Amino acid sequence: GIQVEQSPPDLILQEGANSTLRCNFSDSVNNLQWFHQNPWGQLINLFYIPSGTKQNGRLSATTVATERYSLLYISSSQTTDSGVYFCAVIGSYIPTFGRGTSLIVHP
Amino acid sequence: SQTIHQWPATLVQPVGSPLSLECTVEGTSNPNLYWYRQAAGRGLQLLFYSVGIGQISSEVPQNLSASRPQDRQFILSSKKLLLSDSGFYLCAWSAGRTGSYTGELFFGEGSRLTVL
Repeated sequence: GIQVEQSPPDLILQEGANSTLRCNFSDSVNNLQWFHQNPWGQLINLFYIPSGTKQNGRLSATTVATERYSLLYISSSQTTDSGVYFCAVIGSYIPTFGRGTSLIVHP
Repeated sequence: SQTIHQWPATLVQPVGSPLSLECTVEGTSNPNLYWYRQAAGRGLQLLFYSVGIGQISSEVPQNLSASRPQDRQFILSSKKLLLSDSGFYLCAWSAGRTGSYTGELFFGEGSRLTVL
């Protein structure tokens, strides 16, 4: 099956800092999503981005499908950005998740 | 708009007792449905998925089973819980291939199970 690797596994930031999270995948995919899991466990959809670039406020994402990676940019981080960020790829019916990046933003 | 609900939100059960977690989707038809488990730590493990009524695929052999008695209902069950079944269970859906298939995945709120 498709392998998904996320980096870094852990990230600690001071409020206001910028960061880049990376997702590498081993095969061509139909879809790619980024999620944020908040402290209550809820998985929030951030981006559905099989290719190209999208932006939503302080967050943006870029997927280069031909090179099999995606990047999630967080600018001017806030404490509410804390949590785990997951990348998921879908080759057919089955979504495959990376192990996530745990982000802690200190005030 | 489409919504997904799962319940109960929290469950504490003794070892050996049965389990039933339920998930329903509203506002769409013939969705693909998924059950994931997240144990301590971060990984999301796919347990079961279904592309139609009565069609269940198991990804990991275990103490659990799944059923899809109706188009938008997905149930996770166990006859006898083990300590290792503790975890956070998440139901998800995506549009089925017969509709506007995008594969975009949407999650329910999760059910936290503690087996004592």
